[in-house]
Amino acid sequence: EVQLVESGGGLVQPGGSLRLSCAASGFTLSSYEMNWVRRAPGRGLEWISYISSSGTTTHYADSVKGRFTISRDNAKNSLFLQMYSLRAEDTAVYYCTTYYYDAFVDWGPGSLVTVSS
Amino acid sequence: QSVLTQPPSVSAAPGQKVTISCSGSSSNIGNNYVSWYQQLPGAAPKLLIYENNKRPSGIPDRFSGSKSGTSATLGITGLQTGDEADYYCGTWDSSLSAGVFGGGTKVTVL
Repeated sequence: EVQLVESGGGLVQPGGSLRLSCAASGFTLSSYEMNWVRRAPGRGLEWISYISSSGTTTHYADSVKGRFTISRDNAKNSLFLQMYSLRAEDTAVYYCTTYYYDAFVDWGPGSLVTVSS
Repeated sequence: QSVLTQPPSVSAAPGQKVTISCSGSSSNIGNNYVSWYQQLPGAAPKLLIYENNKRPSGIPDRFSGSKSGTSATLGITGLQTGDEADYYCGTWDSSLSAGVFGGGTKVTVL
């Protein structure tokens, strides 16, 4: 059974940094493209970042470009999102997802990031 | 403002049908597959439809998808109280090199 579990969320001050992790089990992470998607309170889903199966290709939403970095460690079946210069508008639940069939197929339960002083 | 446009809400009585529209452009829906997601309150999103009209294993045939040009539609028949949720369309935007979602549609069962 495919399982994704995010961790690393929490309360951080504006301008601070945080690193989210996504542990994958039940499948071989190295075979799959992956994404991060978030949902801010009172708002809809927002795609944040994509990484190819090998990690050589990445894409970012304009809202996080230059501040967030997606990466993966296929040997450890893990996906990461390094977040810098956090803003109040980055407050959201962050989800990692597999990507195939041109769709976000499997989702983790999410990790809450709160940016507040 | 979302790249894909959905109505904010739709509603119908139990057993009835609702449709949710998703409008985009040639750089996204027009040239890429559309997928649909259901997000129940307090839960993670779940894939309902992929490649415009295909259902993953376990998704009942009450849920259907279609696409025409730069628009897509999700249909839900035999509406149940358990269908009350937020629904999102999604696709890839080739010009932006980015994933894009609609703003979401809240389905209410009257």
